[in-house]
Amino acid sequence: QKEVEQDPGPLSVPEGAIVSLNCTYSNSAFQYFMWYRQYSRKGPELLMYTYSSGNKEDGRFTAQVDKSSKYISLFIRDSQPSDSATYLCAMSFNTNAGKSTFGDGTTLTVKP
Amino acid sequence: KAGVTQTPRYLIKTRGQQVTLSCSPISGHRSVSWYQQTPGQGLQFLFEYFSETQRNKGNFPGRFSGRQFSNSRSEMNVSTLELGDSALYLCASSFRDITGEQYFGPGTRLTVT
Repeated sequence: QKEVEQDPGPLSVPEGAIVSLNCTYSNSAFQYFMWYRQYSRKGPELLMYTYSSGNKEDGRFTAQVDKSSKYISLFIRDSQPSDSATYLCAMSFNTNAGKSTFGDGTTLTVKP
Repeated sequence: KAGVTQTPRYLIKTRGQQVTLSCSPISGHRSVSWYQQTPGQGLQFLFEYFSETQRNKGNFPGRFSGRQFSNSRSEMNVSTLELGDSALYLCASSFRDITGEQYFGPGTRLTVT
């Protein structure tokens, strides 16, 4: 079983919809939680980073972490066609921060 | 500030050959990590270098190696290439070595024939 499981998708939504992307993890020692966005043929781009349970908001994006349930989510409000990409969750330990463990990614398509 | 750069962007090699990939981190970043991305396995951690020392290593065979120079630039080498080594190789750098924030380069697309 993988340490990080991500909802596989693909996900297709109309423009303006609220999108929910989710990951679960098995290792309670993970301390840092990241979301990356990857466009086709590009490297992953860091979207959100958090280290505590709760919500963190940045514009249309909200990252949510529930350490008790080992569950993290990324919400995208008012989704735009430019949000169409693969979203990757990632996690790391505080003693091994340079080594992130990634989910397999969820491909999102936002239709105009 | 310039982002992470990787060279070359595309590479075609023959089975049995060796290859060296290069990564220049964001200025001021001392940690450089390498990942392999394939459709079947996703993003997998190869190794991490910090101040010229390998600090972490993933579960890859010894054919995969790397190094970091005093200016934080890093190289990875794959010897005796196999067909299964075809992948996107990504380099990521970070400034704060106690968090998971990493900034990725565009990757090197390696095709082994």
